[in-house]
Amino acid sequence: AIWMTQSPSSLSASTGDRVTIACRTSQDISTYLAWYQQKPGKAPKLLIYTASTLQSGVPSRFSGSGSGTDFTLTISGLQYEDFASYYCQQYYSYPRTFGQGTKVEIK
Amino acid sequence: QVQLQESGPGLVKPSETLSLTCTVSGGYIRSYYWTWIRQPPGKGLEWIGYMFYSGSANYNPSLKSRVTMSVDTSRNQFSLNLSSVTAADTAVYYCARHIGEFEAFEIWGQGTMVTVSS
Repeated sequence: AIWMTQSPSSLSASTGDRVTIACRTSQDISTYLAWYQQKPGKAPKLLIYTASTLQSGVPSRFSGSGSGTDFTLTISGLQYEDFASYYCQQYYSYPRTFGQGTKVEIK
Repeated sequence: QVQLQESGPGLVKPSETLSLTCTVSGGYIRSYYWTWIRQPPGKGLEWIGYMFYSGSANYNPSLKSRVTMSVDTSRNQFSLNLSSVTAADTAVYYCARHIGEFEAFEIWGQGTMVTVSS
């Protein structure tokens, strides 16, 4: 199985801040990577796929980059509704695996 | 728009079989891939497996011996059976759709909490 390591596991930030979350995979997955946002008590929501493609309806302040084993999710200008947990996920091979999550909290 | 709704017992006894159904509304089950994912309380996400409407499937090796999935195109539903459950199977179970085998999970159900307890 491909291991996914996200960092940090949590962070505190203020509205308007630029936030970066990293995801590293244990082997090359090209760009077969997605990012999801999850709010408490809700299902995850797809934000980005193929490492950098914004899902329809997702605000442009979200962006993704990377390929191979190192990936980044950036939120440019954090909004109140962005305080949530974020997960990366690879769909390059089976079993599909997720990062452990990054919780973005209000400073 | 397409919506997914999980349903099934919220409480299952240890050693019994957990059975869940995902009903697809606003769209057809054909031509898409359907996945089950779970999340234990306060923990991360675990992929259980997927099934294509034609019947091809792939399961997580950690659960493979206990998992069965099926698709009912006439009812626009797909199902999960997980046998010999223990407390470690207590989780929120989500169904999700993806448009290709190597695609992200674009649409998710709201999830259903299943507790394994006697």
